[in-house]
Amino acid sequence: EPEVTQTPSHQVTQMGQEVILRCVPISNHLYFYWYRQILGQKVEFLVSFYNNEISEKSEIFDDQFSVERPDGSNFTLKIRSTKLEDSAMYFCASSDYRVLGNQPQHFGDGTRLSIL
Amino acid sequence: GENVEQHPSTLSVQEGDSAVIKCTYSDSASNYFPWYKQELGKRPQLIIDIRSNVGEKKDQRIAVTLNKTAKHFSLHITETQPEDSAVYFCAASRAGDDKIIFGKGTRLHILP
Repeated sequence: EPEVTQTPSHQVTQMGQEVILRCVPISNHLYFYWYRQILGQKVEFLVSFYNNEISEKSEIFDDQFSVERPDGSNFTLKIRSTKLEDSAMYFCASSDYRVLGNQPQHFGDGTRLSIL
Repeated sequence: GENVEQHPSTLSVQEGDSAVIKCTYSDSASNYFPWYKQELGKRPQLIIDIRSNVGEKKDQRIAVTLNKTAKHFSLHITETQPEDSAVYFCAASRAGDDKIIFGKGTRLHILP
């Protein structure tokens, strides 16, 4: 069964540094998402991406965040100047083309981001 | 915006018994309700979903019910097994919206 893959599995970064999290969505999927999960809390939506542009973003996704699909397979999340509160598990997800109603979102294994 | 409440936060059941997790949502425009299972340190894994045009859906030992009028939906797991131990998240989404709004999760313990 095809899966969403994410790298690295764990990223440790000094506060103020830039970090890039990488994802390879399921190959025939068209919608891509980033979510985060602070330890012990619920999963929170950050941003969605379709047709090479952001289609929706949450209030968490401020100017420090950006997303990019640099080629036909990768989907990245960049945090420009990391803060301690950015420490969380970041999940990438993807879903198929929507005809009628939302399609299931399939999640990767996540990247645990630790800001020191 | 949408708010999803989930309870209980922790649930312990004897192996072989049934487990029920309940969720409510606030936005009457929500029409897609997935359930995810997350084992420790792993990805949220979609286990079942239901759309608002259906009242109940079943997949082997797992079933989900939806009451649109009351805006609540439930996950039922029958004949629980040790491998059912995990955190379960309910979620809701509106048609055309990209985001899924998650509940806070239920930690399910299956006791031997």
